[in-house]
Formats: sequence, C-alpha cells, structure tokens
Amino acid sequence: EPEVTQTPSHQVTQMGQEVILRCVPISNHLYFYWYRQILGQKVEFLVSFYNNEISEKSEIFDDQFSVERPDGSNFTLKIRSTKLEDSAMYFCASSGRLADNYNEQFFGPGTRLTVL
Amino acid sequence: RKEVEQDPGPFNVPEGATVAFNCTYSNSASQSFFWYRQDCRKEPKLLMSVYSSGNEDGRFTAQLNRASQYISLLIRDSKLSDSATYLCVVRTASGGSYIPTFGRGTSLIVHP
Repeated sequence: EPEVTQTPSHQVTQMGQEVILRCVPISNHLYFYWYRQILGQKVEFLVSFYNNEISEKSEIFDDQFSVERPDGSNFTLKIRSTKLEDSAMYFCASSGRLADNYNEQFFGPGTRLTVL
Repeated sequence: RKEVEQDPGPFNVPEGATVAFNCTYSNSASQSFFWYRQDCRKEPKLLMSVYSSGNEDGRFTAQLNRASQYISLLIRDSKLSDSATYLCVVRTASGGSYIPTFGRGTSLIVHP
C-alpha cells in the first residue's frame, strides 16, 4: 500500500540553525500539506501546496518557513532560523483528488524536531 | 476565534462497552467533518468522514448536527485495540482549499 514517508524521524538542532524536513508524498497525489503538533497539544495546519505553489498558509507559517518541491518526488519544509518553540512533531500529508471538501489526506509518520 | 472543542477525557471503559464522544465547532461555515485516530506519538489516521445523514462503519457510528454545531462518534463493543486518541477535524473553505482545524483529541482507554 502506498504511503507518505518522512526523513529524518528525529532531528536535533541548535537554536538559530536552519533545518530542512523532507517528505515523499504518495506518487500520484497532487496536494501536499505540512502540519505540526507540539507535544501534548493539537495538530495545527501550516501550509498547503498545489501546482508548485502555496495554496493556503496559516498564521504560524511566517517568513521563517518555506516549502519546496525540488523534484518530482520530494516535498520539503525549511525553517530558516529555528527557535525553541519550533520543537514539535512535523507531519507531512498528501491527497490525491482535486480539492474537494471530503478528500482524504494521508499522513506521514512525522519528524520530531528538537531545538536546543 | 474558530475552534474545535473536545472533552480530553480520558474515557476509561471495559472491553465490550459502548462509548460516545462529542465535538463542537464554532465556525458555522464549516463544510466537512472527520474523525481521526491517533496512537501515541504516531500520525493521525482517518477513521471516518462524517456526513449530514450520519454514517456507520462496523462498530463506529458518526453523526453530524449542523444546527447545534456538533459531531459525535459512537463506538460499540469496544476492543483493547480501540485505545487511542480520537481527533475531531473540521474543514472550512478558504480560497480554493479546505483548511482543517483539529480538536485536541479525546483519549480512550479500553481495559480488559
């Protein structure tokens, strides 16, 4: 069964450093998403991406964040200068159908980011 | 502020019990509704979508009440493997996309 994969599973970084989180969405999917979940808190939407551009982003997704689909398979989230409060689990998701209100999003296993 | 509210629990029930969770949402323009399951330190996985007419999938039944802005999930004949956190998710149209808002989840513990 096709699945979304994410690397690394755990990333430890120093405050102020740049990190890139990587995702490989399901191969025939068209819509890609990033979410984060701070430990013990709810899952929060960060950004959606379609046709090589951002379609929506939340208030959390400020200038420190960027996304890219550098090739036909990878989808990356970059945090330019990490802060302590960026420590969280970051989930990538993808969906296959054109945007409709009941399209299923498939989540990857997540990358746990720890900022020291 | 647009929120999705859930009772965090935990709901601690014996095997075979029936348990129900509710979720309320504040944005009356919300268009689609879901229940996800999340195991500890794992990714959310879709349990079921929730349609206006209500829907059932085996031991799970979901209901939507748009007038009162709440969604429910009923689990019958609970299994040990049902132990997890159940996330209520509400999507609202924004431009050409549907932005999901997650509840904090309701924890279920099924014991022998």
